[in-house]
Amino acid sequence: SYELTQPLSVSVALGQTARITCGGNNIGSKNVHWYQQKPGQAPVLVIYRDTNRPSGIPERFSGSNSGNTATLTISRAQAGDEADYSCQVWDSRVVFGGGTKLTVL
Amino acid sequence: EVQLVESGGGLVQPGGSLRLSCVASGFTVSTNYMNWVRQAPGKGLEWVSVIYSGGGSTYYADSVKGRFSISRDNSKNTLNLQMNSLRPEDTAVYYCVRSVDIYTVTRYFDLWGRGTLVTVSS
Repeated sequence: SYELTQPLSVSVALGQTARITCGGNNIGSKNVHWYQQKPGQAPVLVIYRDTNRPSGIPERFSGSNSGNTATLTISRAQAGDEADYSCQVWDSRVVFGGGTKLTVL
Repeated sequence: EVQLVESGGGLVQPGGSLRLSCVASGFTVSTNYMNWVRQAPGKGLEWVSVIYSGGGSTYYADSVKGRFSISRDNSKNTLNLQMNSLRPEDTAVYYCVRSVDIYTVTRYFDLWGRGTLVTVSS
């Protein structure tokens, strides 16, 4: 079965750029979606189909996908960006990554 | 306002049953693909089940197949999940989620409820 691999944690200094990766076999051939989940809250879609932002999501959030790695990039990181971030693909079924905890220092 | 509100969670003994409901506002459940996604304490997200728009075909994760049943009540604009033969490993927050499905290409989840906690324990 298809698996997605994410780092358990990523740290970023306030105002700097955070990059969260999602690894999978030839993931570049799939559509990757990203969700943000703050403690005690439901997930929120922040990127869909690799690079698209839903309305209301800041331009600071962007995505890329190539080869065996998809990346969620958060520019000018803010304290309010601290959350768990999960990637997701479709491989004849829904597959979620294990999630990455982003800490803003 | 477009939103989803779940109810029906609680504490149940192993082998017991529980029925979750999800009321939708601001859109019509029957014309959308609707899902249940769960999250065990401290764990990642796990897709549970989907009901398609229109004819209402249903699909389940292997972990719940034969035990859970998804349905909708169009008159109440509500999504339901009947959970039978519950196991401790079913303990999780259950989210009602709307998805965007592009046939054979992808599915992503664009609207989530706040979730309801199901605890299976003796």
